[in-house]
Formats: sequence, C-alpha cells, structure tokens
Amino acid sequence: DAGITQSPRHKVTETGTPVTLRCHQTENHRYMYWYRQDPGHGLRLIHYSYGVKDTDKGEVSDGYSVSRSKTEDFLLTLESATSSQTSVYFCAISELLAGVYTQYFGPGTRLTVL
Amino acid sequence: DQQVKQNSPSLSVQEGRISILNCDYTNSMFDYFLWYKKYPAEGPTFLISISSIKDKNEDGRFTVFLNKSAKHLSLHIVPSQPGDSAVYFCAASLTQGGSEKLVFGKGTKLTVNP
Repeated sequence: DAGITQSPRHKVTETGTPVTLRCHQTENHRYMYWYRQDPGHGLRLIHYSYGVKDTDKGEVSDGYSVSRSKTEDFLLTLESATSSQTSVYFCAISELLAGVYTQYFGPGTRLTVL
Repeated sequence: DQQVKQNSPSLSVQEGRISILNCDYTNSMFDYFLWYKKYPAEGPTFLISISSIKDKNEDGRFTVFLNKSAKHLSLHIVPSQPGDSAVYFCAASLTQGGSEKLVFGKGTKLTVNP
C-alpha cells in the first residue's frame, strides 16, 4: 500500500467552514499528489508537491491550498468549504517502478459539505 | 478538453471470457500509460503500465496494447473473473519541467458475471 494514510477517512462539515485533510507517507517519497474523484469525472489533480515547500497547481486547484513542511506530510486545505467540494479525496505518491513513475494511492477521504 | 477518453462507461462480460477495456488519448507527448483498478470505498490500485515506445506489455492475465498511430490503448483481461469487477481507469503520464503528472480518463465499470 506504499505506506500512505489519509485522515480523516470521513468528514461532514458545513458550508463556509475551513477543512484540512492530511496525507501521511512513511517511505520518504519526493512527489505527492492530491486528487478528487467525482462521478462522471474520474480523478482530477488538485495540487501536487515535488519536495518540502515545493508545490504547484493541478487542473482543479481553485478553492484549495496545500502545504508540505515535512517530507512525510502533505496537507490539503479548503479555506471555506462549499457544497461543490463534496467529493472523495485521494492522496498519492510517485515511485519509480521498472523505469516508470507509478503513482500509488491512499485509501481516500470522503468529504461531505452541507 | 479531455486528453484521455474512456468512451465506454460500463462493460459486462461472462466469467472466463475476455474483457477488453479501451482508452483514447490526444496528446502525443504522453510518455507512459497506466491502468488502475478501483473497488468501492478504496483507493485506486496500479495494475499495469506501458511505455510509449512499446506496443505491448503483459503481466499474468493482464495485457496492455498500445497503438501510437491511432492514439489508442486497450487492456485485455483473460480469463475474466468475478473479482475483476471494478472501475478501471486509464491514465497517461506527462513529464514537464521535471515534474511528472498523470491525466486520467473517466473510468469504465467492468462487471464480470459468474
């Protein structure tokens, strides 16, 4: 499972409240990613990190921010949650496997914004 | 603009027969292609990958074929088993500016009937 944990696994919150999701990895991977999965959309990249304090935007970054102060933790923050951010959020790491950078995913966090 | 397309939202096959899942892409700069399987309430799991310089890669019951001229790849599962029932995502890898990112299709739900 590439040593990836996500917390919380489930969260229900109200519109306008801040929410932080945590991704933790134990194998010192440099690259980490946050995705959201929605019906009819597959997996869409929110933000990614290529090292401590090095992050960049993905295709659906509006309304989200990230931080990576330690190699093992990658935090995703919704500053003011909206109902459109109800989704399942997956964290991933990238590992070189037989010459291919392969991403491995955490178990996911189901977020409901009421 | 969807760069990776899985045009069949669902596929149903009989146990023991072949399952063929298809994927089309538009960006000729993709350097690898990967297939992931996802069960409900779990994170996607990596299945198999193929480099853009190859046309076939095989791993047990799973074979991926790549047709670069047609910008098309397919995943063959032979023989199909009920435990293969899941959503399958096609993903394409793009390396830009030293960062590696995946672009996912919307997924195909495979049902293998006993």
